[in-house]
Amino acid sequence: EAGVVQSPRYKIIEKKQPVAFWCNPISGHNTLYWYLQNLGQGPELLIRYENEEAVDDSQLPKDRFSAERLKGVDSTLKIQPAELGDSAVYLCASSLEGRSGTQYFGPGTRLTVL
Amino acid sequence: GNSVTQMEGPVTLSEEAFLTINCTYTATGYPSLFWYVQYPGEGLQLLLKATKADDKGSNKGFEATYRKETTSFHLEKGSVQVSDSAVYFCALTGANSKLTFGKGITLSVRP
Repeated sequence: EAGVVQSPRYKIIEKKQPVAFWCNPISGHNTLYWYLQNLGQGPELLIRYENEEAVDDSQLPKDRFSAERLKGVDSTLKIQPAELGDSAVYLCASSLEGRSGTQYFGPGTRLTVL
Repeated sequence: GNSVTQMEGPVTLSEEAFLTINCTYTATGYPSLFWYVQYPGEGLQLLLKATKADDKGSNKGFEATYRKETTSFHLEKGSVQVSDSAVYFCALTGANSKLTFGKGITLSVRP
């Protein structure tokens, strides 16, 4: 069974530029999560989707971050404009049993903002 | 709010040594507890979990017991291997089912 797929794996951009990350969850997983992982820290939740509905986006900085999950399958996380402090790893995860299910993580996208 | 505290790292051990990585938590209600592992260049993988007090999670020779009285979920392995070198994260889901992670600890195992 294929795991969570994320692309790109690495991205280097200059500050003020836009950037987008893509995630394809495990087939059949209705719940999708985006996490931010700073260096030396554990992941922190940005947003959680149940199917195509964002049910927990309280930690998403909405002035520059946006996310969508059209058709309730794959998802895109966007930053516009990027700032130096956005340099981090962006992780996507999915789960089968809603918010109580075990979360399976993708390899992440490492973003460097210059 | 919920929080997870892991012992400070990094940890360096010789192959076949005994491993303990401490984890304590603060949460309301009855959280589920997890250990995730991140091997170099790879994503987070679930190592083991426990969903209620006194449960023992185990996988790949690793074990952790959910201790409600001490609010702990320490990870142990009797004999580590070089291939166990990775970053280990303790985590919990509380009443809101949000996954809260500790800072992680890097384990290096020498041959």
